[in-house]
Parts: sequence; C-alpha cells; structure tokens
Amino acid sequence: DIQMTQSPASLSASLEEIVTITCQASQDIGNWLSWYQQKPGKSPQLLIYGATSLADGVPSRFSGSRSGTQYSLKISRLQVEDIGIYYCLQAYSAPFTFGSGTKLEIK
Amino acid sequence: QVQLKESGPGLVQPSETLSLTCTVSGFSLTSYGVNWVRQPPGKGLEWMGTIWNDGSTDYNSALKSRLSISRDTSKSQVFLKMNSLQTEDTAIYLCARDGGSSWGFDYWGQGVMVTVSS
Repeated sequence: DIQMTQSPASLSASLEEIVTITCQASQDIGNWLSWYQQKPGKSPQLLIYGATSLADGVPSRFSGSRSGTQYSLKISRLQVEDIGIYYCLQAYSAPFTFGSGTKLEIK
Repeated sequence: QVQLKESGPGLVQPSETLSLTCTVSGFSLTSYGVNWVRQPPGKGLEWMGTIWNDGSTDYNSALKSRLSISRDTSKSQVFLKMNSLQTEDTAIYLCARDGGSSWGFDYWGQGVMVTVSS
C-alpha cells in the first residue's frame, strides 16, 4: 500500500502569513494527488486536484506543487476562514490513502 | 446540481451488519465512481472503497473481508454493507464522487454518524 506522510501535524500562523503543508508519498504517484480542507462539523472540500490544479470556487491564494514524490499545499496569505484541518489524498492506486491531516490555527 | 446524501441507522449493535445508502443526484452512476470514506470521532479520514462507473469495486485491504459496495443505477443509489461491526467502527460515514482521472473527490455528502454500541 502507498503511504502518505503529511507534515506538520499542526500549524499556528498569523494572518497574511504564507503557510505550507507537505505530503510525502512512499512511491511514485504521478499527479494523482489532491488536497482537502475540512472545517469543524463539515465534510471535506476539494481544494487542489492533479497535484497543481485549483478546484472550482477555491480562492487563488491556495496553490499546489510537486517535486518528485513530495507534494505541497501553499496558502499565500492566510485568512481567518482558512482555519481547519487539511488532508492530502493519493488516488494513484487502490487502496487510496489519506495523509494524517494538518490542523491549521490562527496565531 | 450535484448532490450526495447518506442515510442509514444511527446506532448498530456490536457484531451486527451496517447498511448505508448514498443517494446521488445531478450525475449518473454510469459516468462517475462513488467512494465511501469514514472518520472516527476526532480522527482523520479513512478511504473505505470505491464503486466505479463500470460497476467494478476496490476496497481498503483492512476492511475487504467485511465490506461490500454495490449500486442501483436506476435509483441513483450506492450501498455500503459492512458486517461484524465493533466499537472501533463508530464513525461518520461519507460518500464522495470520484471526479475521474486525477480529479480527486469533487463532491461530498454531509455524512451520517454511526455509533456501534449495545
């Protein structure tokens, strides 16, 4: 099974700050990586698909990148509404696997 | 518009079988796959399995012996059945549309809380 190692587990940042979350895949998954935001009491929402493509309606301050088997989600200017838990997902091959999540808070 | 909605019992007895339904609208099950994902209270997301647009299925290897996913395309419904439930199966169960290719899980249901308890 493909393992997704997500870091950090938690993150506290100031408004307008740049935030980066990473996922390391245990093997090549190409661009089959997506990112999700989950707000308290809500279902996850797709932010990024295909490693770098922004989902419909997602603010442009969110972006995704890939370097080999390392994937990153960047929030360019942190806003209050960005608090929540972020997950990566590899859907390259079953069984699909989520990262362990990153809890993002405002400092 | 695309919608998914989970339904099923909120409480299941230990060792019993869980049966959930995901009713979809705004798209055809013969065009898109549907995933089941669960989230224990206060914990992360766990992919359970997928039923693809052609009716084939993939399962989480840790759940495969207990899990079955099927569908009724005429009713736009996807079904999850999992047997031998234990307390650790207590979770929110969600269905999500597979966007296809590398498009991720693009639409999600609101989820249904299932508690396993006597």
